[in-house]
Amino acid sequence: GQQLNQSPQSMFIQEGEDVSMNCTSSSIFNTWLWYKQDPGEGPVLLIALYKAGELTSNGRLTAQFGITRKDSFLNISASIPSDVGIYFCAGARSGGSNYKLTFGKGTLLTVNP
Amino acid sequence: GAVVSQHPSRVICKSGTSVKIECRSLDFQATTMFWYRQFPKKSLMLMATSNEGSKATYEQGVEKDKFLINHASLTLSTLTVTSAHPEDSSFYICSAPSGGRNEQYFGPGTRLTVT
Repeated sequence: GQQLNQSPQSMFIQEGEDVSMNCTSSSIFNTWLWYKQDPGEGPVLLIALYKAGELTSNGRLTAQFGITRKDSFLNISASIPSDVGIYFCAGARSGGSNYKLTFGKGTLLTVNP
Repeated sequence: GAVVSQHPSRVICKSGTSVKIECRSLDFQATTMFWYRQFPKKSLMLMATSNEGSKATYEQGVEKDKFLINHASLTLSTLTVTSAHPEDSSFYICSAPSGGRNEQYFGPGTRLTVT
């Protein structure tokens, strides 16, 4: 099935640095979601975006829903060691009973203390 | 956020046996749940959509007779891997939407190892 283009594939940064990752698609989504997955765990929802142009923050995390509805980015400010993990973007096309998500391939974040 | 549980968290079984994995929505009802499979260092691959009170909808390439899904109540979906083989070894994760929007909440996953 279709996957979103997520970049970068991996990042290795120093504690305290800011991080940015993004997802793009060739088609429109109505919802963009960002998840974090720790090893051996299920993904945890970080931020949900519902409106084109929407900018939403959750603590040190900020995500935006692109104006074209075909892209989204996630920023992490002042990274800390516990930010380590895999970050996935996901898009959904409609609500109602059709909640299928399309996932990016993930960004592996490593934070060096 | 909404809470989804999975049981068991880990299971080891012998080739040829069947394994059942449970997915429960703990503080909300879910008429729809989703089952994913994840290989090491890979993204989540949707296997099927579990529908309460009706048949599951399987993604292309997923064998419905091998991966049996039952959604018997508004809080429980089960995935049974029948006649398991070593190639079925994987991390299986379920999710459920909550709140009438497109937010999906994931369970903690089940690590299946077939020997």
